[in-house]
Amino acid sequence: DIVMTQTPLSLSVTPGQPASISCKSSQSLLHSDGTTSLYWYLQKPGQSPQLLIYDVSTRFSGVPDRFSGSGSGTDFTLKISRVEAEDVGVYHCMQGIQLPRTFGQGTNLEIK
Amino acid sequence: EVQLVESGGGLVQPGGSLRLSCVASGFIFSNYWMHWVRQGPGKGLVWVSRIHSDGGSSTSYADSVKDRFTISRQNAKNTLFLQMNSLRAEDTGVYYCARAADGYNYFDYWGQGILVTVSS
Repeated sequence: DIVMTQTPLSLSVTPGQPASISCKSSQSLLHSDGTTSLYWYLQKPGQSPQLLIYDVSTRFSGVPDRFSGSGSGTDFTLKISRVEAEDVGVYHCMQGIQLPRTFGQGTNLEIK
Repeated sequence: EVQLVESGGGLVQPGGSLRLSCVASGFIFSNYWMHWVRQGPGKGLVWVSRIHSDGGSSTSYADSVKDRFTISRQNAKNTLFLQMNSLRAEDTGVYYCARAADGYNYFDYWGQGILVTVSS
């Protein structure tokens, strides 16, 4: 199974400041077709996960442009340019290149 | 509006069975692969199973549930199922159904989740 490792596991950020979360996979997530199957989800308190980013860097419909994704191969990063109060929750990365689908441990973002 | 609504959870004794359902609306259910993902108390997300859009040609399971859980669907009723047998304490958690985006491997919509508690 592909192991997904997120750092940090918790993050406390002042509103308006940036935040960054790293996700590393134990194997490359690059497909032969050139796409890379790395996705980011946000699980707000008491809610189900919601898709933020797919294929490393494409924002899902309705996701604010303060969220951005980058990376390649096995190393990926989610950045929030200016954290807002509504961004609190647990951020999960997930790989989609092989079964079983696997997730990172989750990064809990709180507001200072 | 895409909606996924799970039901069928509850408290069950170890060794018991439960059948989860997920009713879909707002999209053509028969066109999409569907998945189940679970989350133990205070833990991360764990993929459980998936099923092909046509319901019969392909199913897959996590090793931890293989031979105990069965995923199925009834496209005429826009419903996904998860039959869970021989339940263990470690199966406790919130179970989410999720839709795989058309032509992609990510989950673009998730249900609200349903709690399964395995305890004596």
